[in-house]
Amino acid sequence: DAGITQSPRHKVTETGTPVTLRCHQTENHRYMYWYRQDPGHGLRLIHYSYGVKDTDKGEVSDGYSVSRSKTEDFLLTLESATSSQTSVYFCAISEGPSIANYGYTFGSGTRLTVV
Amino acid sequence: TQLLEQSPQFLSIQEGENLTVYCNSSSVFSSLQWYRQEPGEGPVLLVTVVTGGEVKKLKRLTFQFGDARKDSSLHITAAQPGDTGLYLCRGDGGSQGNLIFGKGTKLSVKP
Repeated sequence: DAGITQSPRHKVTETGTPVTLRCHQTENHRYMYWYRQDPGHGLRLIHYSYGVKDTDKGEVSDGYSVSRSKTEDFLLTLESATSSQTSVYFCAISEGPSIANYGYTFGSGTRLTVV
Repeated sequence: TQLLEQSPQFLSIQEGENLTVYCNSSSVFSSLQWYRQEPGEGPVLLVTVVTGGEVKKLKRLTFQFGDARKDSSLHITAAQPGDTGLYLCRGDGGSQGNLIFGKGTKLSVKP
């Protein structure tokens, strides 16, 4: 079984509707991250979590909120989806924050289209 | 905000050729990682380099961290179609919010 799964894998939604993406891990890693990947911009950090109920903003957090009520689940919510939020969203997990000691394990991504 | 510049942006080569891609910054990074991403999937960690001047080898891939820890390179010997993908570097600028990715080099290796 994969250590990290994202759902859904694909979603089409209408402008103005709320959308929630789910990241689920079975590795018991403390750190979880949400990124978006767009042509010309690469991977950009939206929010991250360093424990249950402990979250912080990343580079592009406007219009997004997150929640982590259990170690294994990290939810990303688009409060009112806009076309600029059409993107591929990746969740990543890590045992710790230091690149020197830990790498990311990424999920397979969620392709979100806002029409 | 620290930036990681990757070059070239795109690279298309024939099977068997050698290639080098670069990850550069004007700032010092305490450590740096390389990832490979295949279409439709998330990036996968290839290597972590920590010490200036460090060289690591992974089969036909050779990774080098610059002496001043501002740049890194990835050299592939005798490229194969299975090497096709997006190569990303990620640097640690010293704080959780300063863990950044370069925009990547998209490599295509044709049979």
